[in-house]
Amino acid sequence: QKEVEQNSGPLSVPEGAIASLNCTYSDRGSQSFFWYRQYSGKSPELIMFIYSNGDKEDGRFTAQLNKASQYVSLLIRDSQPSDSATYLCAVNSSPFGNEKLTFGTGTRLTIIP
Amino acid sequence: GAVVSQHPSWVICKSGTSVKIECRSLDFQATTMFWYRQFPKQSLMLMATSNEGSKATYEQGVEKDKFLINHASLTLSTLTVTSAHPEDSSFYICSARDATGELFFGEGSRLTVL
Repeated sequence: QKEVEQNSGPLSVPEGAIASLNCTYSDRGSQSFFWYRQYSGKSPELIMFIYSNGDKEDGRFTAQLNKASQYVSLLIRDSQPSDSATYLCAVNSSPFGNEKLTFGTGTRLTIIP
Repeated sequence: GAVVSQHPSWVICKSGTSVKIECRSLDFQATTMFWYRQFPKQSLMLMATSNEGSKATYEQGVEKDKFLINHASLTLSTLTVTSAHPEDSSFYICSARDATGELFFGEGSRLTVL
């Protein structure tokens, strides 16, 4: 069974610091990896996706992928109170887009002003 | 960006009744839509893949006769929870893929069965 593991948190980070969110996955054949942000009672919204080993940066967000270790992370620099949310890691084993995503249980992040 | 709309955003119903939830892609055509269910403090669980003009593909453990999915057009998929019971109370979320392959989520529909 394909699994995606995340630390449920809560993870508390002071405003302005770097928040580091981690995710591991069991299916070595996984092809693409996604980070979603979900505010309480709302649906997920895509932050970043990554396909290749290494780092991918987008503004304050950096996704890191290590396929050998089956590990993907999300770094949030200069954390803001508005970043407080649950962050979902999602993995797709299909090489074509994001057809069937397997989601982790999410990490609840709180940015402390 | 692309928008996916769900309706209703919340619904309360009596046990034994059926509830229909609509998922619409407002500014793009979606040949494939996905239905998820999320219980409190749990992650999204894929229930089924809805394909326009054909039968939905259900994930293991999801009863196709209880969760009826219809994808009659390229912009609309519906999920009907038949004979709902309190254990069906959950947050139901749909998503749709645009032509670039990016996935967009609806706002979700919170179902409470009394």
